[in-house]
Amino acid sequence: KAGVTQTPRYLIKTRGQQVTLSCSPISGHRSVSWYQQTPGQGLQFLFEYFSETQRNKGNFPGRFSGRQFSNSRSEMNVSTLELGDSALYLCASSFGDPSTDTQYFGPGTRLTVL
Amino acid sequence: AQKITQTQPGMFVQEKEAVTLDCTYDTSDPSYGLFWYKQPSSGEMIFLIYQGSYDQQNATEGRYSLNFQKARKSANLVISASQLGDSAMYFCAMRDTHQGAQKLVFGQGTRLTINP
Repeated sequence: KAGVTQTPRYLIKTRGQQVTLSCSPISGHRSVSWYQQTPGQGLQFLFEYFSETQRNKGNFPGRFSGRQFSNSRSEMNVSTLELGDSALYLCASSFGDPSTDTQYFGPGTRLTVL
Repeated sequence: AQKITQTQPGMFVQEKEAVTLDCTYDTSDPSYGLFWYKQPSSGEMIFLIYQGSYDQQNATEGRYSLNFQKARKSANLVISASQLGDSAMYFCAMRDTHQGAQKLVFGQGTRLTINP
């Protein structure tokens, strides 16, 4: 069974630009969660999508948004990039039961903002 | 709110030795789940082991075992017979299901280095 895939793996953008990251979950998984990892803040939850609906959102500004498609693939978008948005963005997929699931992660997208 | 504390920023261990990575947690929920993930330098988070709060026995997965002490709120990861490939960051995490969503709360991690 194929694992979680994320594209692109690396991105370099400049301040003010916007970026879209993509995540394809494990087949059969309907939940996709996104996390930001930085050296200073560690791993922080961005948001989770289940059946095309956002179920929860972390404490991030509105510049961070996402969506999920009917095939469970998810995208996250960051508009008006800032230097502090440089990070490893990880997505994780699971079946969708918050009380029992294990989340499986993709390889991440490393975003550098210049 | 859930909180995970990993007090060891870095650990150095000789190959083939056993190693224990510490994790303490704080939650007011009676039902919770604890996870350990491994993150090599490539960046991918690899699931290692899971312990549920009502599980009667400590979880084991191959060379990984979880020393779960509920009263002390600790969930230490034990790696037996360490290998060079075990060198990585290790994260302890707790499931946070408030508001009905999937969310993991992570500790700050421990960087494990296995010396030959």
